[in-house]
Amino acid sequence: KNQVEQSPQSLIILEGKNCTLQCNYTVSPFSNLRWYKQDTGRGPVSLTIMTFSENTKSNGRYTATLDADTKQSSLHITASQLSDSASYICVVTSGGYQKVTFGTGTKLQVIP
Amino acid sequence: EAQVTQNPRYLITVTGKKLTVTCSQNMNHEYMSWYRQDPGLGLRQIYYSMNVEVTDKGDVPEGYKVSRKEKRNFPLILESPSPNQTSLYFCASSFRGTSGNTGELFFGEGSRLTVL
Repeated sequence: KNQVEQSPQSLIILEGKNCTLQCNYTVSPFSNLRWYKQDTGRGPVSLTIMTFSENTKSNGRYTATLDADTKQSSLHITASQLSDSASYICVVTSGGYQKVTFGTGTKLQVIP
Repeated sequence: EAQVTQNPRYLITVTGKKLTVTCSQNMNHEYMSWYRQDPGLGLRQIYYSMNVEVTDKGDVPEGYKVSRKEKRNFPLILESPSPNQTSLYFCASSFRGTSGNTGELFFGEGSRLTVL
C-alpha cells in the first residue's frame, strides 16, 4: 500500500530560525514528489516539485531535497517568518497522475 | 485570474437531504478531483476525472457521486448525507502531462460541510 509519512506532526519555532520537515514514502512506481503549503482554512498551494533525477530544488527560502534511494525528502525553511505558519504537506505521485498519495502534514507555527 | 471555485464554502445540512457542491476551473485542465480533509487523516481522494465523461473512484468514494459533463465543471453530489460526511472538502485540477505524470494540483478554497 502506498504511504507517505511526515515528521514531526507539529513544530513551533522562533521567527528567524531555520527548520527542516521530513517526508518518508513507500510509493511505487515513483513519478514525482511535491511539497504543498496550506494556510489555515485555505487550499494547499504547491511550493516545489521533485522528480526522480533531482536531489535539491529551491524556491526562495524553501529548499527541498530528495533521496530516491532511501525514499526520503526534506523541506528546509531558512530564516522563518510569521507568514510561514501553516501546514506543509508532502504529496507523492505514482504510475500516472491519478495515483496521488498525501502525507498528513506538519503543522508549523512561527512565533515572534 | 486562474482559479478553482467551489460553492458553497460553508454548509450545514441534515441527514438525508441531498446536496451538491459545485467546482469550476478556468484553466482548461483535463484532470479534476475531489478530496476530503479530516483531522489527523490528511487529504483523501474521493473521486477523480481524467477528462470529460471519464470519472473513477478514489480511496473513499462511498456515499458520493460525481459527473463530468463539461471540462470546466466537476460537481460532487451527496445523495443522502450522513454525519460521517462532515468534513472539509477540496476540489483540485491539473494539466495532464505528456508523459502521464501529474501536473501541479490547483486547489479550490474548500467547502466546510456539517451534517447534523
